[in-house]
Amino acid sequence: GAGVSQTPSNKVTEKGKYVELRCDPISGHTALYWYRQSLGQGPEFLIYFQGTGAADDSGLPNDRFFAVRPEGSVSTLKIQRTERGDSAVYLCASSLLGTIHEQFFGPGTRLTVL
Amino acid sequence: SQKIEQNSEALNIQEGKTATLTCNYTNYSPAYLQWYRQDPGRGPVFLLLIRENEKEKRKERLKVTFDTTLKQSLFHITASQPADSATYLCALPPSGGSYIPTFGRGTSLIVHP
Repeated sequence: GAGVSQTPSNKVTEKGKYVELRCDPISGHTALYWYRQSLGQGPEFLIYFQGTGAADDSGLPNDRFFAVRPEGSVSTLKIQRTERGDSAVYLCASSLLGTIHEQFFGPGTRLTVL
Repeated sequence: SQKIEQNSEALNIQEGKTATLTCNYTNYSPAYLQWYRQDPGRGPVFLLLIRENEKEKRKERLKVTFDTTLKQSLFHITASQPADSATYLCALPPSGGSYIPTFGRGTSLIVHP
């Protein structure tokens, strides 16, 4: 497919566990973004990559959250010691450049922390 | 602080009518504003971008206006169809030159046949 894909689509975990969420951006898109969306709210920015480096991680809520993009394509969002408040839909988006170009979103991963 | 306001109540309209959604903002001087559509269980889909020097922009049945004096954007769907039912989000770039959009909470539109 040509779109942004995210896996898994759903993740249920227990409080205190570690989770990894994966994003496959559109081929050739250098910019990649992670957002978190709670019910009834708009997407909330977490982190932005331009190529392999995190150009802006100001949205990460605390040091339990970390993301990597080692080869400038696939990205993984990692959450340590999950808390119930981390439950949300985690969205990934990519764009051609890190400018005001249109962002293409994936379907999201619904994370539930019990 | 910067704030984006979209009506949290769903907008219910009859098929064929024009739907109008509002996005108000405070403490922003955005160079542009974007509108996205989001269906349940899916990520947002970009619809339109309007720049601060554009008063109006159209795309098929969609029309967006941008009033930087009122700090408001209106999003219109003419000849609405049940398939237009979704949540519509507006997004603005934060102050400071960043181009990472800040999203409003969205307004749900329900078009009844």
